[in-house]
Amino acid sequence: DTGVSQDPRHKITKRGQNVTFRCDPISEHNRLYWYRQTLGQGPEFLTYFQNEAQLEKSRLLSDRFSAERPKGSFSTLEIQRTEQGDSAMYLCASSPVAGTSAYNEQFFGPGTRLTVL
Amino acid sequence: DQQVKQNSPSLSVQEGRISILNCDYTNSMFDYFLWYKKYPAEGPTFLISISSIKDKNEDGRFTVFLNKSAKHLSLHIVPSQPGDSAVYFCAASITGNQFYFGTGTSLTVIP
Repeated sequence: DTGVSQDPRHKITKRGQNVTFRCDPISEHNRLYWYRQTLGQGPEFLTYFQNEAQLEKSRLLSDRFSAERPKGSFSTLEIQRTEQGDSAMYLCASSPVAGTSAYNEQFFGPGTRLTVL
Repeated sequence: DQQVKQNSPSLSVQEGRISILNCDYTNSMFDYFLWYKKYPAEGPTFLISISSIKDKNEDGRFTVFLNKSAKHLSLHIVPSQPGDSAVYFCAASITGNQFYFGTGTSLTVIP
């Protein structure tokens, strides 16, 4: 396993369009996180899955944002009716199950950079 | 409401000297703290962590200190190397369900 992968790496879209990003976590990791990072800021938590269940959702995640993890493996993040303020790096991270030494660590993917024109 | 703060956006250190990166937090419920390193065009990479029940954790050239009464943690890198030049984020979590990140400190190690 080569780590967390994200697709696409870059996305340019026009305001009002919908976009969908995909994250493939490390295979044995049951926890998956989405973050958004803008210039000069640290990653901001968006949502968290344990297996297929979405357990936490930030207030930052407006109703235009939706995330899924249908089979507890890969996840998708969809943004509907994109706005210029949605331009950011979208990061995905995964963590292993409880009881492992790396339980409190997160392994990040390279991110998807979204530009909304 | 920034619960994790890194007040120094940048730091320059000579190669071989000690680098000290600082982080403050406000939520006393945080039970785990982590440091990440980030290179351009890559996601953050885990560096070192510490549980709230400890006050020090060491891994090679990297040591993290936690002062719970002051709600402060620091990362010491000694000796600093040019390859350590990157942006460093501190993060904190409550039971591993949500992670809160600081705004980062850009470290430059001068050869």
